[in-house]
Amino acid sequence: GQQVMQIPQYQHVQEGEDFTTYCNSSTTLSNIQWYKQRPGGHPVFLIQLVKSGEVKKQKRLTFQFGEAKKNSSLHITATQTTDVGTYFCAGSVPPNSGGGADGLTFGKGTHLIIQP
Amino acid sequence: DTGVSQNPRHKITKRGQNVTFRCDPISEHNRLYWYRQTLGQGPEFLTYFQNEAQLEKSRLLSDRFSAERPKGSFSTLEIQRTEQGDSAMYLCASSLKNSYEQYFGPGTRLTVT
Repeated sequence: GQQVMQIPQYQHVQEGEDFTTYCNSSTTLSNIQWYKQRPGGHPVFLIQLVKSGEVKKQKRLTFQFGEAKKNSSLHITATQTTDVGTYFCAGSVPPNSGGGADGLTFGKGTHLIIQP
Repeated sequence: DTGVSQNPRHKITKRGQNVTFRCDPISEHNRLYWYRQTLGQGPEFLTYFQNEAQLEKSRLLSDRFSAERPKGSFSTLEIQRTEQGDSAMYLCASSLKNSYEQYFGPGTRLTVT
């Protein structure tokens, strides 16, 4: 079955430093989504990437989707304490690919810990 | 609050008992999803509905689990003969049919003792 892997599992940074998390899928994805989950909270949608090689920015966050649509990354510039949380990538596979069409497959997440 | 709501927020039950959780999606959303999340892991897909039709079930969903969405609005997830391994956060999410963005509810935390 489809697997989505994320690295690193944990990342400690000093406030103001940059942060990057990487996501890799065992199968080609139709799209990839990124979610943020604060401690004690629920996942909150950040963005969706659909096109091969797509890059999207949201203020200090930059999201990339690989050319082969099997990997993605999230980069945060100049982290702030409000960025604390777990960042999940979640992929869905193309229809009729046998991977379970519309249920997302989440990675295990990268826990971002920021030291002031 | 027009977001996804789930009840109860917490449930403690003894092994072997049955439990039922409810999810009320965002009103105009016709897709509804159930996920399970354990500590330190990402959400695991269980099942999803489009309107009242259950279109997909994960292999994770054993025979003890059943979900319904009888009128295409709220949904229930029932776990029969609970086991300690069922302890987890059960998350519900909803979306519009042609949108991939899923809106998650606050979850129901189940503890099986």
